This record gives sequence, structure tokens and C-alpha cells, in this order.
Amino acid sequence: SQTIHQWPATLVQPVGSPLSLECTVEGTSNPNLYWYRQAAGRGLQLLFYSVGIGQISSEVPQNLSASRPQDRQFILSSKKLLLSDSGFYLCAWSVFSGGEQYFGPGTRLTVT
Amino acid sequence: LAKTTQPISMDSYEGQEVNITCSHNNIATNDYITWYQQFPSQGPRFIIQGYKTKVTNEVASLFIPADRKSSTLSLPRVSLSDTAVYYCLVGEMNRDDKIIFGKGTRLHILP
Repeated sequence: SQTIHQWPATLVQPVGSPLSLECTVEGTSNPNLYWYRQAAGRGLQLLFYSVGIGQISSEVPQNLSASRPQDRQFILSSKKLLLSDSGFYLCAWSVFSGGEQYFGPGTRLTVT
Repeated sequence: LAKTTQPISMDSYEGQEVNITCSHNNIATNDYITWYQQFPSQGPRFIIQGYKTKVTNEVASLFIPADRKSSTLSLPRVSLSDTAVYYCLVGEMNRDDKIIFGKGTRLHILP
């Protein structure tokens, strides 16, 4: 069966520090991968999606970036965090574009 | 891009049938309607997806009228564990851009 992992589960970082969140999927090949952010009390905002290794599409211009170095690995990064980057970050995968998405457990990031 | 409108919150009682309506007036021909459920501090979970008329699975039904400008998620005989936020999404199959979850409907089930 397929599983999706995210780490760390929680993270507290000072403003201006770098960020690296990792997501890996097991049990499937060539998944579509997604990064979302959910601010407190808000809906999910799609940040990046990827349909293959090295293929990244950005939905929202910001100080975040994403990379997909391996088929089932998706990384969210920032060189310098802002207070507004605080939130609940969710990784998801799907078999095909527009299809059902399966979400990971999420990382709660607090920027202080 | 089809925008969706849902009630901010709803209350119901255990054992009742709950219907959550989503408005999507400018839905496009190639758009599908998808519903997700989210519990606090967890990622959303897929509930159901449909294009027209009625779709039913083991947990819910989705009713879509002929004009497809709205859809209704129906949860039969809810329990306390159905308390969650429910999101309605409209998007084109085979496309990932412009996915919008919105704020969803916060459903509170009372004993």
C-alpha cells in the first residue's frame, strides 16, 4: 500500500533562518506531488506541484522554493523565513493530475 | 477558474442526514467536483468526486443538478466523529494548476 511521510512534524524557526521540509512517498511510482500551506483558520493554498523529477510548477510567488530530486521525494525550502511563512505545511500525492489527492501528516511551522 | 461558495459552518445532531451545498456558478464543461474532509491538525481526506447527476460511495453521496452550478454533499446518519471541515473543489481533470480549497464548511455534530 502507499504511504506518505513528512518531517519534521513540528518546527520552530527564527525569522531569517533557512527551511527544508521533506516529503517522501512509498508504494507508488511517478506520482504527482504537491505542497500546500494552511494558515491558522484558513483553507489550503497550493504552493507547488510536480508531475515528474525536476519538474516544478509554482502557484504563488513567494520566498519559498521546491525541488524534486528523486521520483518520490519532494522538498520545500526557503533561504530566509518570514513571519508570514508560519503555518501548517502539507504534502500530497496523486496518481494523475486532477485526481484524488492523498495527504501526508503535515508539518507545523512557527516562525518567531 | 470556477470559484466555490460554501456555508461557513453548520450544526447537526447525531443520526441525522447532513447536506452541505456548494455553489459554483461558473463551472466549466471539463470541470469535476471533488469533496474533502479535514480533521484538526491532519491533512484532508478525499470523500467523493463527480461530474453530473449522482455519485454514491460507502461514506457519502454527491448530488449534481443538470446545470452543474451547485452540488450537494450528503452524509447519512452522521456521528460525532463526522465533526470536521468539508471542502468543495472544482477543477479540470488532468490539470493541477489553480487548485483552490477555500475555507470550507465547518460541520459540528452535536450529541
